[in-house]
This record gives sequence, structure tokens and C-alpha cells, in this order.
Amino acid sequence: QVQLVQSGAEVKTPGASVRVSCRASGYTFTDHSIHWLRQAPGQGPEWMGWINPKSGGTNYALKYLGRVTMTRDTSISTTYMQLNRLRSDDTAVYYCARERGITVVRGIIDYFDLWGQGTLVTVSS
Amino acid sequence: DIQMTQFPSSLSASVGDRVTITCRASQSINTFLNWYQQKPGKAPKLLIYAASTLQSGVPSTFSGSGSGTDFTLTISSLQPEDFATYYCQQSYSTSRTFGPGTKVHIK
Repeated sequence: QVQLVQSGAEVKTPGASVRVSCRASGYTFTDHSIHWLRQAPGQGPEWMGWINPKSGGTNYALKYLGRVTMTRDTSISTTYMQLNRLRSDDTAVYYCARERGITVVRGIIDYFDLWGQGTLVTVSS
Repeated sequence: DIQMTQFPSSLSASVGDRVTITCRASQSINTFLNWYQQKPGKAPKLLIYAASTLQSGVPSTFSGSGSGTDFTLTISSLQPEDFATYYCQQSYSTSRTFGPGTKVHIK
């Protein structure tokens, strides 16, 4: 079954770090980049960055530079997102999503065709 | 970042109605535009990519159009399972951004 399965909910205090995992199954793990997004209550999803599982290369949103790290373990088809120096406004549901793309004249249009179930991270003192 | 706006922010409709949701980008994004549906407590689900291509398995009652800065998602005949929140998302820039969403309520 093609799916992304994320780790369970986390409760953290301000200043702590959190690591969320995302295990892929049912497809070749190294064929598709994995993106991480988050969604605060009542808001739309917010993109955080991506990791290329084959090369390990990453690209982070400017907002999270210096605070987020995305890694992968190809032996278990799993990517990780670690967010440091947590604040109360980091409380959100965190998602991983698989990237696919189509080639058009102007480049590659990518989209997220497969999502994890989401991981609620609560930051509270 | 490219800003995405959607309107209306919410709408009420009945089963069988035709519904149109509009998405606007702060700059031209060609057809680098995707649509997602999200139900409470669930992850977003891809409906349409590249502005008008229907994702496999998505009912043909959904369609998308537009290019440049203005896009629309149309549901030709609203079904009970279509009551949800809909988001547009641009993939033109490296920093992907989503619209604020349009919530479709039952009238």
C-alpha cells in the first residue's frame, strides 16, 4: 500500500526541540522528494522545506532557516524533520508529503500527491 | 513569497449546486497551480494539478481552469462528500505557498 506514516503526537515546552518522522512504503523511496508542511489551527498549510531522499539535499523556507533540519535514512525509507527552539506559535499539525511533477514548456510543475496522516505538535509551558 | 488569495472565504450551497471558487496569485505563475480538498482532521487531498489536470481517482465533477494570476475550481454538481475546505497552492516559486482556503458549507 502506497502511504506515508508519521510518528505520534508530541507535547513540548518552549525552547525544546521536536523530531517528527515520516516512513514511506509501497513505492521507491528515493524516487520522490519529500516536503514538510505545517498547519496551525484554522489556517492553510504552510510549506517548510523539502529533502531529496536520494541525495540528502535539502531546501528550507527562509522563515525556518537555522531552526529546521530535514534528514533521511534510506535503509528504513524514513525522513525526519527536526525543529529547534520551539515557541508556542509552533503549535500545529505537521505533515510530510510526496512530491510528483510534470514537465511543461516552462519547467516542472510539482504537486503533493501523497500525504502523511499528520502529527500534532503542541508547545506549551 | 508569492501571495495567494481565495474568494469567497466560505460559501453555503446545496447538493446538486454548481460551485465556483476563485484563486488569485500576487504575480503570474503560468499554470503552476494546484488544488486540494481538506476535511476536518484529515490531510489535504490533491484534486487538480497544473491548473486543469484532474488527479487520478478524482470525480469528473471537479474541474480547474486559469493561467497567469487568476484561477478557478468548479464543482459542477455538489455531492454530500464535497463539503470541505479547498485550498489552492502555487509551485511556481521554490517557496510554495497556499491560499487561505474556501470552506464549503451545507445550505
